[in-house]
Amino acid sequence: EDQVTQSPEALRLQEGESSSLNCSYTVSGLRGLFWYRQDPGKGPEFLFTLYSAGEEKEKERLKATLTKKESFLHITAPKPEDSATYLCAVQLSGGSYIPTFGRGTSLIVHP
Amino acid sequence: KAGVTQTPRYLIKTRGQQVTLSCSPISGHRSVSWYQQTPGQGLQFLFEYFSETQRNKGNFPGRFSGRQFSNSRSEMNVSTLELGDSALYLCASSLGSYGPTEAFFGQGTRLTVV
Repeated sequence: EDQVTQSPEALRLQEGESSSLNCSYTVSGLRGLFWYRQDPGKGPEFLFTLYSAGEEKEKERLKATLTKKESFLHITAPKPEDSATYLCAVQLSGGSYIPTFGRGTSLIVHP
Repeated sequence: KAGVTQTPRYLIKTRGQQVTLSCSPISGHRSVSWYQQTPGQGLQFLFEYFSETQRNKGNFPGRFSGRQFSNSRSEMNVSTLELGDSALYLCASSLGSYGPTEAFFGQGTRLTVV
């Protein structure tokens, strides 16, 4: 059973059309939730860390939020350069701290 | 500040051979983690090294091994290669206080097993 589920798998937007990506998790004892962006042929690029429900982080057109069972990555007025795969990962408190990644959301923003 | 460097970028190996991949972390980072990324399984954690010791290990067979040197550089070895080992292998470095968090990834080594 997947502990981290991202939806949708793929998303096509027009430039300027705001939307949200979802990352839901079933684990308990969350230490942190991480968002990454991955461009084709490259390694993931770290975006945000969220630690507790209600926390929000922003960077340019991106805003990440966290609730007790899911996180949203809001993209406001996206541009074509925001096209990428967005990955989330969760890390449990205590124990090994091994991160578990979701499968990602592939975002394409059309000009 | 130099990023994470992985070598080589591309490799083609024959089934049954072994391969060694190299990773140089960001200066000052003591944690190095390795991941396997495939279209079918996504990004999966292999292992993490911190101060030359394996601190965490994912659910991969013993054919996958690694080590870390005193300068934090790390190598990953895969023995007796199988076709299913074809993947993008990513290395990530972090300060490492709480495991492999807020990691900075290299560009990866694309391994093809034929």
